Amino acid sequence: NAGVTQTPKFQVLKTGQSMTLQCAQDMNHNSMYWYRQDPGMGLRLIYYSASEGTTDKGEVPNGYNVSRLNKREFSLRLESAAPSQTSVYFCASSDGPDQPQHFGDGTRLSIL
Amino acid sequence: LAKTTQPISMDSYEGQEVNITCSHNNIATNDYITWYQQFPSQGPRFIIQGYKTKVTNEVASLFIPADRKSSTLSLPRVSLSDTAVYYCLVALGGGYNKLIFGAGTRLAVHP
Repeated sequence: NAGVTQTPKFQVLKTGQSMTLQCAQDMNHNSMYWYRQDPGMGLRLIYYSASEGTTDKGEVPNGYNVSRLNKREFSLRLESAAPSQTSVYFCASSDGPDQPQHFGDGTRLSIL
Repeated sequence: LAKTTQPISMDSYEGQEVNITCSHNNIATNDYITWYQQFPSQGPRFIIQGYKTKVTNEVASLFIPADRKSSTLSLPRVSLSDTAVYYCLVALGGGYNKLIFGAGTRLAVHP
């Protein structure tokens, strides 16, 4: 049982390049999330999808877009990468905001 | 503005009980508090969740006092493999956009 799968695991971009981070879950969860993790700041919510067909902004959405492709997949896009977006990105899924979240192992993104 | 605060780091020795406290203001009666464990190069992993008094499972206990201004994760008899970063998460008002993570507590367990 794979749980939450994120691709790629590592990526280096140049400033201004675009990229899409992929996430898929096999637990039939309704809700999916994208977080970024920076040293000393814990995890901050970028976007979430409460259910298939809906997406909403979290705490730090600027510079990102998302797509809930179907119930399993939730992608995060950086249209024009900036050095401030260098971070580790985590995707998670759950049955709702009060339910335990299951996380992928992250994408480590460096923007030069 | 709601915020969660945790100690940056803690040290312990094998076999000891470890208590990690998270302070959270402005949480409502039914707001859940959840704790996660994270190892290097991995995503956070669920440990325990509750919203009042005490919850216990096979790996930890969660204590929430009546004023709900803090919560304490208790790890009994830690081992070297418990060395990790521990995060508390508060879901304010049950809302998706009010998921507030603490900055994490780095626990080091020594032989």
